[in-house]
Amino acid sequence: GAGVSQSPRYKVAKRGQDVALRCDPISGHVSLFWYQQALGQGPEFLTYFQNEAQLDKSGLPSDRFFAERPEGSVSTLKIQRTQQEDSAVYLCASSLTGGNKNIQYFGAGTRLSVL
Amino acid sequence: AQSVTQLGSHVSVSEGALVLLRCNYSSSVPPYLFWYVQYPNQGLQLLLKYTSAATLVKGINGFEAEFKKSETSFHLTKPSAHMSDAAEYFCAVIQGGKLIFGQGTELSVKP
Repeated sequence: GAGVSQSPRYKVAKRGQDVALRCDPISGHVSLFWYQQALGQGPEFLTYFQNEAQLDKSGLPSDRFFAERPEGSVSTLKIQRTQQEDSAVYLCASSLTGGNKNIQYFGAGTRLSVL
Repeated sequence: AQSVTQLGSHVSVSEGALVLLRCNYSSSVPPYLFWYVQYPNQGLQLLLKYTSAATLVKGINGFEAEFKKSETSFHLTKPSAHMSDAAEYFCAVIQGGKLIFGQGTELSVKP
């Protein structure tokens, strides 16, 4: 595709429900990132993939958060037993390769509201 | 660890006036710095990046930023604001391939 695509754009969940957020990176991009953006804040890093390998998951806030990218393309961020503090916009980004000079291209995000 | 600080969570300018959004970084090594813009309900769009080449970096939509090592700053400027510039602006530094963002500055443009 032309850009990073995320679905759904909006998700409302009841506290305790599991949710799955999908990210389709730009075709051919090796690196994929997930960020969490709380209301009024800057995005914060969650996790990073190089192809199918999850190289860094240091930003995942708890073991209720899990991400995968089994075939090195589409990625899913799963949140189990959602809590109100999980309400945020979840942004996905991809870049051609890893490394500090590469531009990360962002999707429009998924806005998660936990009631 | 590297970090960035954006001074001013909200900046308001008149249409046609100078835009100045401030960003200071903290880094023990030469940083790679970025400015992103976020329009309502949209993702982040790259405005410009500094990767240790020219200290004055020109970006899209008439924006530019100057890297000043002595001041550890990377302020974003635009000579003449347009109504369409109203958005949230984020300064970021990259470390280990992951972006570390500032808190953001919301820019309002008055007619």
